[in-house]
Amino acid sequence: AQTVTQSQPEMSVQEAETVTLSCTYDTSENNYYLFWYKQPPSRQMILVIRQEAYKQQNATENRFSVNFQKAAKSFSLKISDSQLGDTAMYFCAFMKPTHTGNQFYFGTGTSLTVIP
Amino acid sequence: DTGVSQNPRHKITKRGQNVTFRCDPISEHNRLYWYRQTLGQGPEFLTYFQNEAQLEKSRLLSDRFSAERPKGSFSTLEIQRTEQGDSAMYLCASSNPGQGAHGYTFGSGTRLTVV
Repeated sequence: AQTVTQSQPEMSVQEAETVTLSCTYDTSENNYYLFWYKQPPSRQMILVIRQEAYKQQNATENRFSVNFQKAAKSFSLKISDSQLGDTAMYFCAFMKPTHTGNQFYFGTGTSLTVIP
Repeated sequence: DTGVSQNPRHKITKRGQNVTFRCDPISEHNRLYWYRQTLGQGPEFLTYFQNEAQLEKSRLLSDRFSAERPKGSFSTLEIQRTEQGDSAMYLCASSNPGQGAHGYTFGSGTRLTVV
């Protein structure tokens, strides 16, 4: 079974500063995907960034980047130049694609507050 | 197409009553997923449809839960004889296998409160 652990229930960061959210996972699979999703008070889960396990290069999307350490099974999210709109719950998620469907395994989330 | 739509957004029901939620996926997505999210937790997988076929069910989906997708378009999730432990956010998502792990879109969820 796959498990995803987020050890930081809450974090805060000053506007324009940088913050890193931690995530570790446990799996015996070799081919999988890792994701960070954002869930603002509006409740909709929004994809922030995605990493394919077979890629060594860390994914980057504008102000968001990851540090993917496959051997250590670690997948942290760095948010640069934090903005007030980044305030949300952030979920780390694992997915192993199969021919029958792509099921997510989510962590318990980190509540991020950006302070003006 | 404005994305995955879920109705109602909120539902308050008395313990023992039946409730039904609806999910309208993105029209070209043939895969549809239901997840449950309790307070302080991440979403947990409940069940998955490819077209009208229900291909996978979690152990979380007890006998009181039933999901359908009769025409391969919208889906309903029914909970019979609701219990207080059923209080949660129920999230629907859809995807297109041609997009691999890239096209998984979530709805805004239905929040169920059982009193």
